[in-house]
Amino acid sequence: DAKTTQPPSMDCAEGRAANLPCNHSTISGNEYVYWYRQIHSQGPQYIIHGLKNNETNEMASLIITEDRKSSTLILPHATLRDTAVYYCIVRLSPYSTGTASKLTFGTGTRLQVTL
Amino acid sequence: DAGVTQSPTHLIKTRGQQVTLRCSPKSGHDTVSWYQQALGQGPQFIFQYYEEEERQRGNFPDRFSGHQFPNYSSELNVNALLLGDSALYLCASSLEGRGNYEQYFGPGTRLTVT
Repeated sequence: DAKTTQPPSMDCAEGRAANLPCNHSTISGNEYVYWYRQIHSQGPQYIIHGLKNNETNEMASLIITEDRKSSTLILPHATLRDTAVYYCIVRLSPYSTGTASKLTFGTGTRLQVTL
Repeated sequence: DAGVTQSPTHLIKTRGQQVTLRCSPKSGHDTVSWYQQALGQGPQFIFQYYEEEERQRGNFPDRFSGHQFPNYSSELNVNALLLGDSALYLCASSLEGRGNYEQYFGPGTRLTVT
């Protein structure tokens, strides 16, 4: 799995957009970008994933650069409940079997949302 | 629809002892993965079970073993506990037989080795 690099921490004011960057310069053509978050004392929670097109769901948007070497997770209107550690993970297709399904976590970005 | 459940929530053991942690996957899921999360670190993959067999293993010693039952629930066993085994142990389930490979995590078991 390709290695990812994320800033260790970020702050965001409540109600503003939180933009969390991730570098994955060694990503392969068949690898997806996944985002999970972990709220204190809970298990990680899936947020979104994408291959090369921008993706949006009810939780967030994922913007992947054209060369796929970096991406940004956007929380459009951050709330205090979005305070968590956010993990950017690169892995093979979600439709692969066996060894492709493990997740390799880094240390993530600790997002602090403040009033 | 119950999510992933784990038991116990907290556990304190002494060095050298053995421990068993339990996980019930999300309803309908057939694959269980176990992760170890040390304080301040991201989760590290231990192993994965599918169809009652260990399918993939991370960089963990043989002291870590597991089992998956016919109802897809799973156990993680750790023998000869070391102080360094103190961590949050996370179980994640997924449904790999039908093309949905998102992993859903339980709340974890906090193991403290003294």
